[in-house]
Amino acid sequence: SQELEQSPQSLIVQEGKNLTINCTSSKTLYGLYWYKQKYGEGLIFLMMLQKGGEEKSHEKITAKLDEKKQQSSLHITASQPSHAGIYLCGADTNTGNQFYFGTGTSLTVIP
Amino acid sequence: NAGVTQTPKFRVLKTGQSMTLLCAQDMNHEYMYWYRQDPGMGLRLIHYSVGEGTTAKGEVPDGYNVSRLKKQNFLLGLESAAPSQTSVYFCASTKNNRGSGYTFGSGTRLTVV
Repeated sequence: SQELEQSPQSLIVQEGKNLTINCTSSKTLYGLYWYKQKYGEGLIFLMMLQKGGEEKSHEKITAKLDEKKQQSSLHITASQPSHAGIYLCGADTNTGNQFYFGTGTSLTVIP
Repeated sequence: NAGVTQTPKFRVLKTGQSMTLLCAQDMNHEYMYWYRQDPGMGLRLIHYSVGEGTTAKGEVPDGYNVSRLKKQNFLLGLESAAPSQTSVYFCASTKNNRGSGYTFGSGTRLTVV
């Protein structure tokens, strides 16, 4: 979607390394969602952020939403092969009824 | 089990054939969405609905039609399938679009030959 820019498009890391995925919107977001998708499968909900400056963690994954509510980052600490997949950010805005997605980041973790 | 159910899960169509994809949810959600997912493109919104009897166009509506005659069902139709419509289709629903969370179906893999 042109509404959400996600970077990088793909990432290859060695097991144990940290990594960050970014998601940027041109509009102020109401809610920012992170999903993971295993290749050929459905979407797995990871986290939702709503408040400016909010940060949430689940196991080794941390997501942050900036104060302006236009940018979010997803950080994985000490990556493992189980983290491999496609990470997608999705968002709804204060105006409109649509729910947009970023283009996705393909993550490969090399053992 | 509560959730979003998509049927069929797989389908192969010949160019020019028509078909309907069904999305059913049992959570009494008002909003429903249809997306297509293509390599390197993320999920792109085709059409969506904010309630029974309403539909609206998303980012890539051409070649598709939708209907929301019942609150629990959102149908996606392809009148004359084209190879460019080969994709994985996902349906989603939410109670409202202000932070109540989105539930996704498991996807329909469509191939048009």
